[in-house]
Amino acid sequence: DQQVKQNSPSLSVQEGRISILNCDYTNSMFDYFLWYKKYPAEGPTFLISISSIKDKNEDGRFTVFLNKSAKHLSLHIVPSQPGDSAVYFCAAPYAGGTSYGKLTFGQGTILTVHP
Amino acid sequence: NAGVTQTPKFQVLKTGQSMTLQCAQDMNHEYMSWYRQDPGMGLRLIHYSVGAGITDQGEVPNGYNVSRSTTEDFPLRLLSAAPSQTSVYFCASSSTNPGEAFFGQGTRLTVV
Repeated sequence: DQQVKQNSPSLSVQEGRISILNCDYTNSMFDYFLWYKKYPAEGPTFLISISSIKDKNEDGRFTVFLNKSAKHLSLHIVPSQPGDSAVYFCAAPYAGGTSYGKLTFGQGTILTVHP
Repeated sequence: NAGVTQTPKFQVLKTGQSMTLQCAQDMNHEYMSWYRQDPGMGLRLIHYSVGAGITDQGEVPNGYNVSRSTTEDFPLRLLSAAPSQTSVYFCASSSTNPGEAFFGQGTRLTVV
């Protein structure tokens, strides 16, 4: 039973445009969410996170939005760059924010940014 | 600062063979985890440890054993490999910064 879902396996955008990656979750007890980025033959690396007490968190070109009523979050990348091409995973700690490193992941979305 | 180091990077096993995937971290993190990544499945938690001597099962623990004798090391053992264990395995360590885990580069395991 996948509690975090990314329903778009892939996304293709033009350089300079906005990339929007979506994630849905089913467990209303989740209170913290993270996005990880993964290049081929490398481990995932932490990108950005958001606590459920916020509805937005911004870090440079990356912004995560959280809609708790819809159990939905999204990652916006503006402007997109070819180096952003990677697999993006949405994740949540199994038992809330104190489940340090014990994460449940979505299936991932392959982002391709064309020059 | 090496972070999380996994060895080997690649391994081919025959069905029924055993092996240990090594994981070491030098960040003095208490929390360590093992995940497997399969196509279309994301990463799934195999086993987890909150400190030396303490381990717990994750989502897909069957066929795998772990132990945590030191803070630095968290090896994953396959006692009798099966083709269903063909996957990419990632070890991770975490501080108390909620959820933020640091991953190794992965071990690609093929069981034939």
